[in-house]
Amino acid sequence: DAGVTQSPTHLIKTRGQQVTLRCSPKSGHDTVSWYQQALGQGPQFIFQYYEEEERQRGNFPDRFSGHQFPNYSSELNVNALLLGDSALYLCASSFPGSYEQYFGPGTRLTVT
Amino acid sequence: AQKVTQAQTEISVVEKEDVTLDCVYETRDTTYYLFWYKQPPSGELVFLIRRNSFDEQNEISGRYSWNFQKSTSSFNFTITASQVVDSAVYFCALNRDDKIIFGKGTRLHILP
Repeated sequence: DAGVTQSPTHLIKTRGQQVTLRCSPKSGHDTVSWYQQALGQGPQFIFQYYEEEERQRGNFPDRFSGHQFPNYSSELNVNALLLGDSALYLCASSFPGSYEQYFGPGTRLTVT
Repeated sequence: AQKVTQAQTEISVVEKEDVTLDCVYETRDTTYYLFWYKQPPSGELVFLIRRNSFDEQNEISGRYSWNFQKSTSSFNFTITASQVVDSAVYFCALNRDDKIIFGKGTRLHILP
C-alpha cells in the first residue's frame, strides 16, 4: 500500500516564476492538505481540499492556489514566486472523520 | 487563539540518557487532538502518537512515553534510554477543525 507521494523531490525556480507541485494521497484517503515548512520552523497550514473543492485555508496570499482531481490527487500552484517562498512543501492526506493526517516526503522548493 | 509552544529549541544528551521534550498548547475548544511527529533529516514527518482531549491516560510505547495533563495544557514526550537514531526534530501539534497547528519543533541530538 503506497503512502502519500509527492513530486518533484526538489525544484529550483527564479523569482517571478510560477511552480506546480503534485501530491497523490494514500489509498482510501479523499482529503488532501498542504503545508509550508520554512527552514527551522514548524509546518504552516496552507489549505485543504475535499471533493475537489478548497474546504479551508490558512493565512496565505492568493498567489497560492490548488486543485484536487477526481482521483483525489492534488496540485499546489504558486505564482509570482518570492525568495520567501523557498521552503519544504508537505502534502498530507486523510479520510473522513479521521483526525490523523499522513504526510508525504515533501518537495523542497528553492527560489533564487 | 490556537497555539502550540515548544520552548526547547535544541537539546543534546548522551546516548542512553532519558530526555523529555516539553509541549504546551492553547485552545478554547473542548474537543481537540494532540500529536507528536518526528522529522528525521530526510524531511518526512513520521507520526508518533495521537491523543484526544477526553483521554488523559498516559501512554507508553517501547522507549517512548507521553504525559498529557489537561490542567496545565501540556503534552510532554519522554524518550527513555535514548539512541543515536532518535536524533531528529520533534514536533508537537494540535488538530482543530481538521487543520494541524504545529509548534516550532525541538531539535534533539543524541551523542554517541
